[in-house]
Amino acid sequence: DTGVSQNPRHKITKRGQNVTFRCDPISEHNRLYWYRQTLGQGPEFLTYFQNEAQLEKSRLLSDRFSAERPKGSFSTLEIQRTEQGDSAMYLCASKGPSYNSPLHFGNGTRLTVT
Amino acid sequence: DQQVKQNSPSLSVQEGRISILNCDYTNSMFDYFLWYKKYPAEGPTFLISISSIKDKNEDGRFTVFLNKSAKHLSLHIVPSQPGDSAVYFCAASWNSGNTPLVFGKGTRLSVIA
Repeated sequence: DTGVSQNPRHKITKRGQNVTFRCDPISEHNRLYWYRQTLGQGPEFLTYFQNEAQLEKSRLLSDRFSAERPKGSFSTLEIQRTEQGDSAMYLCASKGPSYNSPLHFGNGTRLTVT
Repeated sequence: DQQVKQNSPSLSVQEGRISILNCDYTNSMFDYFLWYKKYPAEGPTFLISISSIKDKNEDGRFTVFLNKSAKHLSLHIVPSQPGDSAVYFCAASWNSGNTPLVFGKGTRLSVIA
């Protein structure tokens, strides 16, 4: 168990640019989640995958956001035309097949949009 | 609409004493509850969970209590240690954990030596 890995750890970008983050889940976990956390808030759900299928998207996920999980392994989260309000910590988590197994989080990607 | 509420942003406790962190929820469909701990610059780490069919779950120094009628849960840490200083998040899910977790805003615990 090498844990959930996220890259990059930090990203600074200018408003209007596109950014892409990567998440590598724990290898035997079939569910992968993306959350966003801003200062003083708890993690907020964005979207999740079961294997390669994207099963649910939050209303927080505007059309500038897109997530993929090709072949049910790693996942990418892309934000197009970034805005200052997109500045946040983006957390990825994975979970095993049992319904009540806990989420295991990565250390996140901190995005700063200037 | 905050479905999971942690009304105390911070808590300070002396080393060796009990820490009690509280969480309230509004959605009666929630049936699975978890506590996570978060250190700066790290992702949240799972601590302990409880299903709605139980009212208590214990793991070492950590005990979670669930009061379904009051829609309230609490995390007890006994004895508190300086390494417990972190932000603690309460989270909830329904359908026995099959839906995405909903998190509270967190409580920052400081354990003073």
